[in-house]
Amino acid sequence: DIQMTQSPSTLSASVGDRVTITCRASQSVNIWLAWYQQKPGKAPKLLIYKTSSLESGVPSRFSGSGSGTEFTLTISSLQPDDFATYYCQQYISQGTFGQGTKVDVK
Amino acid sequence: EVQLVESGGGSVQPGGSLRLSCVASGFTFSSYWMHWVRQAPGKGPEWISRISNDDSRREYADSVKGRFTISRDNAKNTLYLQMNSLGVEDTAVYYCARGRDGGTYFQYWGQGTLVIVSS
Repeated sequence: DIQMTQSPSTLSASVGDRVTITCRASQSVNIWLAWYQQKPGKAPKLLIYKTSSLESGVPSRFSGSGSGTEFTLTISSLQPDDFATYYCQQYISQGTFGQGTKVDVK
Repeated sequence: EVQLVESGGGSVQPGGSLRLSCVASGFTFSSYWMHWVRQAPGKGPEWISRISNDDSRREYADSVKGRFTISRDNAKNTLYLQMNSLGVEDTAVYYCARGRDGGTYFQYWGQGTLVIVSS
């Protein structure tokens, strides 16, 4: 099974900050990597698929990059609505999620 | 507007069974693979099963293989998950989800239904 590891587990930031979350796969997933945002009591929301493709309606301050085993999600200027937990997910083999990165207020 | 509405969750004793349902609307249900994803309290999501649009293929995560059965009724726009031999480790919110294309990633999610396995 492919394991996904995110870092950091928690990130404290302020509105306007540039935020970067890293996701590492235990083996290559090529470009088959998605990112989700989840708020308490809600289902995850798809942000990015195929490493860097922005889902329709998602603000352009979100971007993704990487390939193989190392990937990043970047929020260029953190907004109040962005405080949430973020998950990466590989989908080259079934679909494994990372353990999550919680972005909270500094 | 795409909608996925799950039902059937509840409390059950270890070893028991439950059947979850997910009614879909707003898209051509019979054209899409469908998935079940669960999320245990305080944990990340876990994909557990998928079914092809024509029911020719069903796949399961190792954690539920042999205990859970996914099925669908395209005439009723409904996805099902039969869960048998439930254990405390199956306690989670269960989501029905639709992929964006053929990949196992999820563009649309239901609101989730909570399953609690406890004695």
